[in-house]
Amino acid sequence: GQNIDQPTEMTATEGAIVQINCTYQTSGFNGLFWYQQHAGEAPTFLSYNVLDGLEEKGRFSSFLSRSKGYSYLLLKELQMKDSASYLCAPQRGNKLVFGAGTILRVKS
Amino acid sequence: DGGITQSPKYLFRKEGQNVTLSCEQNLNHDAMYWYRQDPGQGLRLIYYSQIVNDFQKGDIAEGYSVSREKKESFPLTVTSAQKNPTAFYLCASSTPRGAPGGYTFGSGTRLTVV
Repeated sequence: GQNIDQPTEMTATEGAIVQINCTYQTSGFNGLFWYQQHAGEAPTFLSYNVLDGLEEKGRFSSFLSRSKGYSYLLLKELQMKDSASYLCAPQRGNKLVFGAGTILRVKS
Repeated sequence: DGGITQSPKYLFRKEGQNVTLSCEQNLNHDAMYWYRQDPGQGLRLIYYSQIVNDFQKGDIAEGYSVSREKKESFPLTVTSAQKNPTAFYLCASSTPRGAPGGYTFGSGTRLTVV
C-alpha cells in the first residue's frame, strides 16, 4: 500500500544471510523505519535511516538511498526466531506509512 | 517502566453497536496514532494526534472517532457506521519527529463483530 513495495514472502536457511528490499515514493520523505512483527503481536522497532548509507546494529543492518527511494534490511546469522513479518515504513511528515510487509520463513 | 497500554486485548461487538478502544501511554510522548491491520496487509492509519485537543484524519477515518483530552490518552471509538470493523487495532505514540527510537506500539486490540 501507499506505493511501498516489498516482496510478499521470502524463505531462508538458519545461519544464512537474507536481504529484504523496499522501494517507496520519495515525496515528503523524512526518514525510514524497519519493524519486525510476529503474528498477532505489535511491531517492534528494528532500525531507522535518515541519511544515505548503512546503519548496523548487531545482526541487523539497514541501508538507505534517498535519491533512489530504496532501502534494504539485512539479517545475518539467521535464527529460527527471526521468522516474522518485516515492515518497511517511510516517514512522511509526522506520519509513518507502512508497506504490506515481507513474511520471512527461516527453515532449519 | 514507561510504555503504552491498550485494552482490552480481545473485544467482541454486536453489529450496530459503538465500541471504544482504550490507549494510554506514560512515555510523555506528544504524538499518538491509531492503525488498523487486516490479515496479510500492512498497517493503515485511522487517526493521529500531535498535541492535546487536536487530531487529524488518516487514510481510513470513516466510521471512527477519537478524542485527545489528555496527553496520556487517545481513545478510539468504532461506530456503527464502520461497515467492516473486524480487525487488529494498534495504538502508537512518538516524540514529535518520531526518531531516533521510532514509534512505540501497544500490544493491540483484536475486535470481532458477531
